[in-house]
Amino acid sequence: AQTVTQSQPEMSVQEAETVTLSCTYDTSENNYYLFWYKQPPSRQMILVIRQEAYKQQNATENRFSVNFQKAAKSFSLKISDSQLGDTAMYFCTISNFGNEKLTFGTGTRLTIIP
Amino acid sequence: DTAVSQTPKYLVTQMGNDKSIKCEQNLGHDTMYWYKQDSKKFLKIMFSYNNKELIINETVPNRFSPKSPDKAHLNLHINSLELGDSAVYFCASSQAPPSTYEQYFGPGTRLTVT
Repeated sequence: AQTVTQSQPEMSVQEAETVTLSCTYDTSENNYYLFWYKQPPSRQMILVIRQEAYKQQNATENRFSVNFQKAAKSFSLKISDSQLGDTAMYFCTISNFGNEKLTFGTGTRLTIIP
Repeated sequence: DTAVSQTPKYLVTQMGNDKSIKCEQNLGHDTMYWYKQDSKKFLKIMFSYNNKELIINETVPNRFSPKSPDKAHLNLHINSLELGDSAVYFCASSQAPPSTYEQYFGPGTRLTVT
């Protein structure tokens, strides 16, 4: 079984600042994938960033980057130069290789303040 | 062009009724999913189909029955609706092996049972 824990139910930050969302997970597998999905008020789920567990290099996608600590089973998301459009629920998720199931965390509601 | 579409987007019905939600994807993906998001925003997988075959069937009441007429469509039929079925239901699709690729989500169907 795999679990994902997001310990920050809500966060808020001023526009243009940097914010980090925390995520820890647990899995017995060695080969897995981690994702951050974003759900804005429109309700549409959108992939933000993806990390393969076998890669040591942290994934980056424009203003979004992750800090992947495999030994600690930690996968935090950093948003730089935050924008109003970043306001959303953010879900940390895990998928074991060969298992089609995504397990979601409980989400962090991020509000960007103008 | 809409990648993953769901109909209807909103559904209000009374307890005891039977209803269906339809999902279609035009991405050519092999795998499709149904997720349930409860009032606390928690997302949980219900079913997954790969090339019209059921591959994931989580602990879901028998009143829920998925059906995949072809790999581009995955419908969800719910019998004898209960108050606890009120939620947002998301359809998603991905390439195979799905665990390594992002899932593309539909806009969701908000089901309200009165």
